[in-house]
Parts: sequence; C-alpha cells; structure tokens
Amino acid sequence: DAGITQSPRHKVTETGTPVTLRCHQTENHRYMYWYRQDPGHGLRLIHYSYGVKDTDKGEVSDGYSVSRSKTEDFLLTLESATSSQTSVYFCAISESGADYEQYFGPGTRLTVT
Amino acid sequence: AQSVTQLGSHVSVSEGALVLLRCNYSSSVPPYLFWYVQYPNQGLQLLLKYTSAATLVKGINGFEAEFKKSETSFHLTKPSAHMSDAAEYFCAVSDQGTGFQKLVFGTGTRLLVSP
Repeated sequence: DAGITQSPRHKVTETGTPVTLRCHQTENHRYMYWYRQDPGHGLRLIHYSYGVKDTDKGEVSDGYSVSRSKTEDFLLTLESATSSQTSVYFCAISESGADYEQYFGPGTRLTVT
Repeated sequence: AQSVTQLGSHVSVSEGALVLLRCNYSSSVPPYLFWYVQYPNQGLQLLLKYTSAATLVKGINGFEAEFKKSETSFHLTKPSAHMSDAAEYFCAVSDQGTGFQKLVFGTGTRLLVSP
C-alpha cells in the first residue's frame, strides 16, 4: 500500500469554525490532490499541488484553501465551515504523467453541524 | 470539457453471474481511462487503466475492460461475480499529453452480489 495517511479520520465541527485536514505521504510523489466525495457526485477535485508551494484550484474550490510547505504534507483548510461542506474528503498522490495511477488515502469524514 | 457517464447507480447480480458495469466518456481527444474500486470505509484503488496500448485491458481480481472508440465506451466486465466484489466502482478519464493528471470521475456504480 502506498504510504498515505490522513488526519483526523473523523471530525465533527460547528458552522463557522475553521478546520484543517492533513494529508501526509511517504512516497515522495510530486502531485497531491484533495477530493470530496458526496452521494450522486462521485469524487470532485478541490485543489491540487504540483510541488512545494505550487498549488492550483480544482472543480469545487470555493470555501477551501490549501498549502504545501513540504513535499510530504498537503493541508486542506476550511476557513469557515458550512453545512454544505459535510462530506468525505480524500487525499491522493501520483507521480508525473497523465497515465499514472493515483493512490488514495483512507479518507476523513467531516460533519459540520 | 471531459465528462464520464456511468449508467446505473446500483447493479445487482448473483454470485457466479456476469458482471457488466457501463462507462461512457466524452472527450475531444483520445483519453486515458481508469476504473477504480472502493470498498466500504476505504479509499479508492486502481482496478485497471487504458493508456492507448491494447484496447482490451486486464486488471486485478479478474476484471477487464474494453476501450471502444466508436462507442466512446469503456465498460468493465467480470465473467463470474464473487461475494467479495461487492463495492462501489468508479470510471474516470484524463487527457493524454499532460504532465498533470486531472481525473474526472463518474458518479459511481454500487455492485451488489447476492448468494
């Protein structure tokens, strides 16, 4: 299994509070991704990173920010959580190249009340 | 823009029966295509991928898929279902020719296997 961990694995928070999710890899892969998974929508890309301090927006980036200060860590921040951000969040990593597979972490279940 | 359509949010089969999960893609250029599987409370793992070599692709756990350009399809099949195949399956597409892999996922098909 690819070395990807996510923390926390479960979190319940209140509307309006900031939340940070962490993704850590031990594979030294260049690319890292954050997705959210919702019933009926599959997985949708929030943000991705192509190197230290290099990030870009995905399909559903509103309300989210990311940072990558080290190759192995990719942080996803919800500045002010809303109920619509209740979801399961997955981190993924890949090497360079559009034909490479992405390796997924175990996910974080976030509930915003 | 690329898109992926998976017909049927749920597919039910009996153990030992043929599994057929449908995936159609929309892309302006020949894409790379992937099938991922997700077991309960886990992340996704790659079943197989098409990267413009052989059109019939074999993956793990006895699954295979055939790329049909004329039909813009990449359906997933397995001759004989196992109880352990019960999971959610996602088809995904990405453009060729880029260093960055931007995957677009379908909405998923949940496979139910009955004894």
